[in-house]
Amino acid sequence: EAGVAQSPRYKIIEKRQSVAFWCNPISGHATLYWYQQILGQGPKLLIQFQNNGVVDDSQLPKDRFSAERLKGVDSTLKIQPAKLEDSAVYLCASSLVRPGIGETQYFGPGTRLLVL
Amino acid sequence: KQEVTQIPAALSVPEGENLVLNCSFTDSAIYNLQWFRQDPGKGLTSLLLIQSSQREQTSGRLNASLDKSSGRSTLYIAASQPGDSATYLCAVIRNYGQNFVFGPGTRLSVLP
Repeated sequence: EAGVAQSPRYKIIEKRQSVAFWCNPISGHATLYWYQQILGQGPKLLIQFQNNGVVDDSQLPKDRFSAERLKGVDSTLKIQPAKLEDSAVYLCASSLVRPGIGETQYFGPGTRLLVL
Repeated sequence: KQEVTQIPAALSVPEGENLVLNCSFTDSAIYNLQWFRQDPGKGLTSLLLIQSSQREQTSGRLNASLDKSSGRSTLYIAASQPGDSATYLCAVIRNYGQNFVFGPGTRLSVLP
């Protein structure tokens, strides 16, 4: 079974530029998550999709971050304009339905963003 | 608001030692707790999931315990190996369908 795919793996941009990340979840997984992981910290949820609808985006900085999940499969996360403090690893995860008994989230390798 | 802490932040042990990693959470009303492993430059891999009604889970050399009343979980690694070197994170869910709140992780180095 193929895992969660993410691209690009690394990205270096200057502040005020825009950037986009792509995620392809495990086939059949209805729920998709984007996390931000700053160095030395645990992942922090940015947005959760159930199929192509948003379930939770309470921690998404909506003035600069946006995300979409077209047709309930692939997803893109965009930052525009980027700030220095956006430097982090952006992790995508998917799960079959929702986190619960015997279920878990499967994580992609992440995209490492450096904003100069 | 649920907060998760992990002690120690980093740990270095010689190969073969048994070790314990600690996780604490502020709100004991959790649905389940999960331990993950993260290798440098990679995503997270699930190790063990403990439901709120359970006390412990075991997988190979790993044993995770949960004490909801005290807001604590421990991950016990027996006979550590250099391949165990990684960052170990714990995460809790308050209710079914909600999302994980992660701790900052413990960075483990097992020296050959």
